[in-house]
Amino acid sequence: AQSVTQLGSHVSVSEGALVLLRCNYSSSVPPYLFWYVQYPNQGLQLLLKYTTGATLVKGINGFEAEFKKSETSFHLTKPSAHMSDAAEYFCAVSSGSARQLTFGSGTQLTVLP
Amino acid sequence: DTGVSQDPRHKITKRGQNVTFRCDPISEHNRLYWYRQTLGQGPEFLTYFQNEAQLEKSRLLSDRFSAERPKGSFSTLEIQRTEQGDSAMYLCASTRGGQFNEKLFFGSGTQLSVL
Repeated sequence: AQSVTQLGSHVSVSEGALVLLRCNYSSSVPPYLFWYVQYPNQGLQLLLKYTTGATLVKGINGFEAEFKKSETSFHLTKPSAHMSDAAEYFCAVSSGSARQLTFGSGTQLTVLP
Repeated sequence: DTGVSQDPRHKITKRGQNVTFRCDPISEHNRLYWYRQTLGQGPEFLTYFQNEAQLEKSRLLSDRFSAERPKGSFSTLEIQRTEQGDSAMYLCASTRGGQFNEKLFFGSGTQLSVL
């Protein structure tokens, strides 16, 4: 069985501040991990993914995430928030024989001017 | 890529009516997924096709739900005898290849409201 927990359903940061969105996963086998972003009235878009290899993954729009097996975490960060980053962010896991993604409940990011 | 297209964008129906949604995946994408998303929740897996074969169905997919993907191209999701609990955003996604670490391309969804 696989599952994802996103800590904090709402996160607010000031423009230019660090963005940190937390994700912890549960999987009995090595997972594939993803972050998707959903802007209003748009479909989910892939930000980045971890499959194998380097544990620090860089994605689009300056986001990155680090896979930490010992902590079963895959937190998303961005050094400096921009107003356009305001959106809902979903962490997802796929592992083992699972043929589909299991999503977390999402974190709504608000960027304050 | 022209993107994943879903129709309609919004559907309002009365309890007990049947509804059907359509998804047109990106051309040549052999895998197609249906997800359901309710307010404040992440997408929940409903079903998955590889070409025309429906390979997996979630327990969320009661016998009132049926999905098809004739000829491995577009897909339809039908809900019979709708209930208020069916109100949600229904998302379609597609991808290609045989690995399950591939990027999914999502449509904008069909918002269903059951009155």
